[in-house]
Amino acid sequence: EAQVTQNPRYLITVTGKKLTVTCSQNMNHEYMSWYRQDPGLGLRQIYYSMNVEVTDKGDVPEGYKVSRKEKRNFPLILESPSPNQTSLYFCASSLTQGVIQYFGAGTRLSVL
Amino acid sequence: SQQGEEDPQALSIQEGENATMNCSYKTSINNLQWYRQNSGRGLVHLILIRSNEREKHSGRLRVTLDTSKKSSSLLITASRAADTASYFCYGQNFVFGPGTRLSVLP
Repeated sequence: EAQVTQNPRYLITVTGKKLTVTCSQNMNHEYMSWYRQDPGLGLRQIYYSMNVEVTDKGDVPEGYKVSRKEKRNFPLILESPSPNQTSLYFCASSLTQGVIQYFGAGTRLSVL
Repeated sequence: SQQGEEDPQALSIQEGENATMNCSYKTSINNLQWYRQNSGRGLVHLILIRSNEREKHSGRLRVTLDTSKKSSSLLITASRAADTASYFCYGQNFVFGPGTRLSVLP
């Protein structure tokens, strides 16, 4: 079954404690991206990757890091989380940029 | 990045009625897509319309595209309670907007 898998689904952490949210897709897609969703603001893109070892900043990259060492995986790293990063995060993948995106189920993060 | 803009922000209708929501954008596009999001869940792709198409149907969904006006509309006919969700438009050169929150009342 074609899918994008994010883990964990829920995470409560404290300010400054490094964390990683994993994302994996099984569709051999080249394009992957991370979004955060906050009430009233829609989805804002954090980072995206056009292919292995090719990543670029989206609209809200501050405080986040990503890597794309393998085609299927695109982890999101928060090196020193802060309360303003409390949000709902989505990973998405597509064959290439601008075509149909497949979304993960989301990760709800709370930073205390 | 340029953001698509869905209108209205919120829409409440009775079951069986039609729901229409609109999307405006500012860039050139190759295609435009509509997505649905049930509360707190991942977005699900509904329909894609290419820039050389004016109208497309899929089940109870009808999408129109007017590239001269840089706008699109999504019509859901004979709505059901299960259609209650947020709806977003997306294009290659613009990102998701805040969406339209549709509530279908039984």
